This record gives sequence, C-alpha cells and structure tokens, in this order.
Amino acid sequence: KQEVTQIPAALSVPEGENLVLNCSFTDSAIYNLQWFRQDPGKGLTSLLLIQSSQREQTSGRLNASLDKSSGRSTLYIAASQPGDSATYLCAVRSNFGNEKLTFGTGTRLTIIP
Amino acid sequence: NAGVMQNPRHLVRRRGQEARLRCSPMKGHSHVYWYRQLPEEGLKFMVYLQKENIIDESGMPKERFSAEFPKEGPSILRIQQVVRGDSAAYFCASSPPNQDRANYGYTFGSGTRLTVV
Repeated sequence: KQEVTQIPAALSVPEGENLVLNCSFTDSAIYNLQWFRQDPGKGLTSLLLIQSSQREQTSGRLNASLDKSSGRSTLYIAASQPGDSATYLCAVRSNFGNEKLTFGTGTRLTIIP
Repeated sequence: NAGVMQNPRHLVRRRGQEARLRCSPMKGHSHVYWYRQLPEEGLKFMVYLQKENIIDESGMPKERFSAEFPKEGPSILRIQQVVRGDSAAYFCASSPPNQDRANYGYTFGSGTRLTVV
C-alpha cells in the first residue's frame, strides 16, 4: 500500500529566500507524481506533474525533482513571495491502470514579508 | 474553457438529511474522481467514474454513500442520512479520455464544504 509523507508539516521563511519542500513515498513503482497548491478554503491548483521517466520539471520559480529509487520528490521555490503562502500537497499515482492518487498531508508554508 | 465546476460551494445539512454534491468535469473530459478531505487530514480517494460506469469505488464507505455519472449532466455524489462525521470538503477531479491521459495530471474543482449540524 502506497504511503506518502510530507515533512515538515509547517514551514515559515522570510520573503526572498529559496526553500525546499519534501515528499517521500514508500512504493517506488509509481506512474507519476503531481504537486498541488491549496489555499485556505479553496480547491487544489496543479503546479507540476513529473512522469516516472523524468527527473525534474520546471515552471517559473518552481522546480520539482523526482528520485524514484529513493522514493523522494522535492519542490524548490526560488525567491519566495508572500503570495506563495499556502499548503503544498504532493500526490502519487501508482501505475497506469490505477487511477487513484495517494496524497500526502501537506506542508503549510508561510512567507513572512 | 471552464475548469471543473462543483456546486454548491457550501452545504449545510441536519443529521439524517440527504446531501447531493454535483461535479461538472472540464469540457472534453470523460473521467471523474471524487476525493474527501476531513479536517486536518489529507485527501482520500473515494470513487472513479466514467460516463454511466463506476470503475473503482474502493474508497467509498459501504453504507449511505453513492455516486453516479450519467450520460447527460453532472456527476453526483449522494450521501444519505448524513452524520456529523460526514462533515468534510469533497473535491472532484476530471481527466481526458484514455488516449490523452498518458501525460495528463488531474484537474480539481474548488470543492464542496459539507457541514452537518
């Protein structure tokens, strides 16, 4: 059974700093991994999708990496801004025939102006 | 192209009433998924549907919960005789047909927040 863990549960950093969010999963036989952002009381916004054959994906100030063999993914945020404050969730899709996403419980990020 | 549309955004029901949550997938998407987020917990898979078919309902509670995705109209998640423990945010996601899904992630709606009083 796939389990996804995100550490830390909460993180506060001053504006302008670079930061890394961590995601680990127990079963390395994944199909893809997706990072989402969730604002309080809102839905999920997809940030980046990494296929199992890829090592990283980039979008603007965001860079996500994937190391399947060690069961880890990181989300790197460069030059953080107050608008980046949100909960960041990673979700793993285990294989093509399995449509379920297994979510971590998220990292609540606060950027201090 | 509107995203995944869920309504209502907020729903209050008294214990014992029925709750009906609606989800309209993105245009061109034929697969719908329902997830539940309990307070202070992660999102948990409930059910996966295609038009007129339930493909995987392994995450659905055995009683009181049902889902459908008719040929016409939105997908409906129905909770009968609600209890306080059903209070949660219910999210719907959609994805395109099989031939387009190999490299496609899921698009989520804004959710329905159910409060049982």
